[in-house]
Amino acid sequence: AQKVTQAQTEISVVEKEDVTLDCVYETRDTTYYLFWYKQPPSGELVFLIRRNSFDEQNEISGRYSWNFQKSTSSFNFTITASQVVDSAVYFCALSEEGYTGGFKTIFGAGTRLFVKA
Amino acid sequence: EAGVTQFPSHSVIEKGQTVTLRCDPISGHDNLYWYRRVMGKEIKFLLHFVKESKQDESGMPNNRFLAERTGGTYSTLKVQPAELEDSGVYFCASSQDLRDRGLRGYEQYFGPGTRLTVT
Repeated sequence: AQKVTQAQTEISVVEKEDVTLDCVYETRDTTYYLFWYKQPPSGELVFLIRRNSFDEQNEISGRYSWNFQKSTSSFNFTITASQVVDSAVYFCALSEEGYTGGFKTIFGAGTRLFVKA
Repeated sequence: EAGVTQFPSHSVIEKGQTVTLRCDPISGHDNLYWYRRVMGKEIKFLLHFVKESKQDESGMPNNRFLAERTGGTYSTLKVQPAELEDSGVYFCASSQDLRDRGLRGYEQYFGPGTRLTVT
């Protein structure tokens, strides 16, 4: 069965600290997609990154970086030099393609990040 | 290109009342999904439409929830009667089916969500 675990419920850091959000997933499929979304206080889901299961290359985008390790089924997200505006709930998610070409996404419980000035 | 839109953005109703949420997917997207996040818990899948057909409704919590997608365009999610535990944010998403082009459509585009408050 598919499952996404975000063990950290809440994290509190001081501005400019680095912070890593953990994500561990379970799936039986060999082809799947992993995502990170940000949900700011305004409520919308902001897409951050998508990773295909066949591409283990890590990615860096500005202050954000992602570490995808298939061997440990982990897809961790690091924010470098955190800022107050990074305060939000962050969701890790997993999608597998259904036989109709559609994708059902399974979300983790989310990690609430507080960045204090 | 317009993204997924949802209406209303926020709805406040009393317990026992009825509310209808609307989702307009991206034009040309056959797949439409409803998700919700209630009580600060994880975002959970509710159901999946392929065009006008319900492909998977395994996540619908109970028979107070009714989803429709007449004509395979926009979708509505009706809650009748609403209960306090229905309060949360309801998200809609859509995706393309690219199998006929030999591609795998792997992007779900999420709408901004409808925040439902039941008092």
